[in-house]
Amino acid sequence: DVKVTQSSRYLVKRTGEKVFLECVQDMDHENMFWYRQDPGLGLRLIYFSYDVKMKEKGDIPEGYSVSREKKERFSLILESASTNQTSMYLCASSRSSSPSEQYFGPGTRLTVT
Amino acid sequence: SQQGEEDPQALSIQEGENATMNCSYKTSINNLQWYRQNSGRGLVHLILIRSNEREKHSGRLRVTLDTSKKSSSLLITASRAADTASYFCATGAGSYQLTFGKGTKLSVIP
Repeated sequence: DVKVTQSSRYLVKRTGEKVFLECVQDMDHENMFWYRQDPGLGLRLIYFSYDVKMKEKGDIPEGYSVSREKKERFSLILESASTNQTSMYLCASSRSSSPSEQYFGPGTRLTVT
Repeated sequence: SQQGEEDPQALSIQEGENATMNCSYKTSINNLQWYRQNSGRGLVHLILIRSNEREKHSGRLRVTLDTSKKSSSLLITASRAADTASYFCATGAGSYQLTFGKGTKLSVIP
């Protein structure tokens, strides 16, 4: 059974803190994605990676960075968390063939106070 | 990027009824996918339809695609309370990325 896991379901951080969100997939997928989901705005792509050490900006990369040192792991980093980054963060992975469905993790609800 | 737009934003039906959700998009695509999200959880893939297909079935789900009108519909037949969730369409244009709509919130009343 395919599986995408995220390091935390809920996270509370203070403004200015550095925040790491981890995502691990066990399907040997080439592609991994980070989205944020906000009410009324749907899912918006922050960054994606199509290979180890490769990354591409999505629609809203400002304030975020990513790291992919191993194929199975994709990390999202908030260098200095701000209150407007309070959101639900969803990680997904997919095969490199197109078209391909995406497999999602359970999400991390981040609150920045 | 251009998102798909689901219609309606919210839908409430009785158990046993059929539920129809629509998705419109603006750019050329090579596939369209539907996902379900239970409250506060991740998305689950339901069905993928390629641009050269017009209709696809999976269990109680039926998806249609009209590329001339840039629209798709998702029909859930004989709905159950467990179908209560948000449903998203996502369009793919040949790269790895998908562009998601804002979703339709479906409530199935027992």
